[in-house]
Amino acid sequence: GAGVSQTPSNKVTEKGKYVELRCDPISGHTALYWYRQSLGQGPEFLIYFQGTGAADDSGLPNDRFFAVRPEGSVSTLKIQRTERGDSAVYLCASSAGFADTQYFGPGTRLTVL
Amino acid sequence: AQSVTQLDSQVPVFEEAPVELRCNYSSSVSVYLFWYVQYPNQGLQLLLKYLSGSTLVKGINGFEAEFNKSQTSFHLRKPSVHISDTAEYFCAVTNNQGGKLIFGQGTELSVKP
Repeated sequence: GAGVSQTPSNKVTEKGKYVELRCDPISGHTALYWYRQSLGQGPEFLIYFQGTGAADDSGLPNDRFFAVRPEGSVSTLKIQRTERGDSAVYLCASSAGFADTQYFGPGTRLTVL
Repeated sequence: AQSVTQLDSQVPVFEEAPVELRCNYSSSVSVYLFWYVQYPNQGLQLLLKYLSGSTLVKGINGFEAEFNKSQTSFHLRKPSVHISDTAEYFCAVTNNQGGKLIFGQGTELSVKP
């Protein structure tokens, strides 16, 4: 079956602009996670959804970052007033439930000029 | 708070030699442990996981890992590596109270002919 997909694969934007990154999880997976991976680092947790609600958003770095999952499937990560330090690969993962194996998408590479 | 330390940032090894990638974690509660692999220009793929039971866990591509609670370690091993094993390897931990993964910094395995 289809895995986790993320669009776009690459996004180049200018400092101060707004961006949206999309994640399509594996069908039927109730849990969805966003991570950020900077160059040479391991992925860093941002936010976790169980169904439509954010169960843990402790990893969001500041209020410029926001994520939604309105129907419990597709999720969008939104970044306002982008900064050069936001440049990274943004990873999405989904799992069948809490503590089940997380399956990762290919990521969106965000570059803020 | 949980944390993961991967003791080696780079491990060069010759083809058909054995390899061990080291991972230590810290946590005040029970943990689940994972190893993920990231091939060049690809997404994260699960190699193996420890949830409970036998402390020796076998994964894909001939890899195995041993959970050692007293030493808080989860080292990854392969008795004979191939060129195709060249990749970045990440150790990760989560607890039974939340789904987010805490990743180590990664170990770059480079297999030379």
